Amino acid sequence: EAGVAQSPRYKIIEKRQSVAFWCNPISGHATLYWYQQILGQGPKLLIQFQNNGVVDDSQLPKDRFSAERLKGVDSTLKIQPAKLEDSAVYLCASSRPGAGTEAFFGQGTRLTVV
Amino acid sequence: GENVEQHPSTLSVQEGDSAVIKCTYSDSASNYFPWYKQELGKGPQLIIDIRSNVGEKKDQRIAVTLNKTAKHFSLHITETQPEDSAVYFCAASQGTGGFKTIFGAGTRLFVKA
Repeated sequence: EAGVAQSPRYKIIEKRQSVAFWCNPISGHATLYWYQQILGQGPKLLIQFQNNGVVDDSQLPKDRFSAERLKGVDSTLKIQPAKLEDSAVYLCASSRPGAGTEAFFGQGTRLTVV
Repeated sequence: GENVEQHPSTLSVQEGDSAVIKCTYSDSASNYFPWYKQELGKGPQLIIDIRSNVGEKKDQRIAVTLNKTAKHFSLHITETQPEDSAVYFCAASQGTGGFKTIFGAGTRLFVKA
């Protein structure tokens, strides 16, 4: 089966600019996650969707980050305005719903804010 | 807040030796414990997982143990090979569908040929 697709792979922007990332999950996976992975750290969950509804966004900096999952399939994550500390890899993952199900990760988007 | 501590941060072993990575978690509601391997430029990939009703699980050269009372879980890799070199992450989650998943900081494993 096709994996989780993310684009772009790399993005360099200046601080205070805006940026958007796109994710296409594995077909049939109702659960979609966005993670932020800062260099040398483990992934940190930003937001989790079940179909097109938000399950958990407690760690999403809502003053500058937003995410949507229209029609319960593709998802976009936006940062506006970006700060230097937003430099990280943004990972999208998807899984089937249910307890203890495997999450499949995309390759991520490496964001550099200068 | 809830957290997962992972040790060591770096581990270097000789090919053929065993490698052990240990994690502790704080959220007593955690009931699912996956381990991921991340290679350079790629997303994490699940290598083994264990649920709270099981104490040990093995898959070829990889095994995971869980001590719910002590809130400890460990990854054991036997007969290590150079291709095992990567960053390994433990994670703990509760509820359904990976709700409240928290990752450890990672262990960079080097396997010397």
